[in-house]
Amino acid sequence: LAKTTQPISMDSYEGQEVNITCSHNNIATNDYITWYQQFPSQGPRFIIQGYKTKVTNEVASLFIPADRKSSTLSLPRVSLSDTAVYYCLVVGANSGYALNFGKGTSLLVTP
Amino acid sequence: DAGVIQSPRHEVTEMGQEVTLRCKPISGHDYLFWYRQTMMRGLELLIYFNNNVPIDDSGMPEDRFSAKMPNASFSTLKIQPSEPRDSAVYFCASGSYQETQYFGPGTRLLVL
Repeated sequence: LAKTTQPISMDSYEGQEVNITCSHNNIATNDYITWYQQFPSQGPRFIIQGYKTKVTNEVASLFIPADRKSSTLSLPRVSLSDTAVYYCLVVGANSGYALNFGKGTSLLVTP
Repeated sequence: DAGVIQSPRHEVTEMGQEVTLRCKPISGHDYLFWYRQTMMRGLELLIYFNNNVPIDDSGMPEDRFSAKMPNASFSTLKIQPSEPRDSAVYFCASGSYQETQYFGPGTRLLVL
């Protein structure tokens, strides 16, 4: 499984933009970058996936540079309800379908 | 769809007892995963099945853990005998190949 590295925790105030960066130096050509979100007392849920450049949906944006060795999850104008753990994963043919979630990044949003 | 269903939601047991966790995947999904989450180790994959067949059980901590999937709509994770260090939240997830995994609400296990 491709290894990812992301910060253990981050803090933010409501209304700010939050950027969580993940490094994945050994990502393979056919791999995608996927992010999951886990609220307290719930299972993780998929939020966004990308291969390169930029992907945006109603929840977040994902920025992937040309070398694809890192990616940045961007949460615009966070609210208290965005307090959660965010997991960066690499998924693809070489990584298999088994996901290595690890500890993720614990984001705390305060008023 | 009701999503992935897990039971029980909470389990408290004494060391040495057998514990059985149950999972009903989303209909039509051909992959099923069992994960364990603790503060120390985060979210770990224990085992996963494809079309009811175990594919990778390298994450199963030891022989006290076993998992079965007798049919496409049911799976169990059994711990026998249980130990205090098995206390964790156990998640079941299902999905189709290389697509999103859908997680259940988890079973919170406490072994005294």
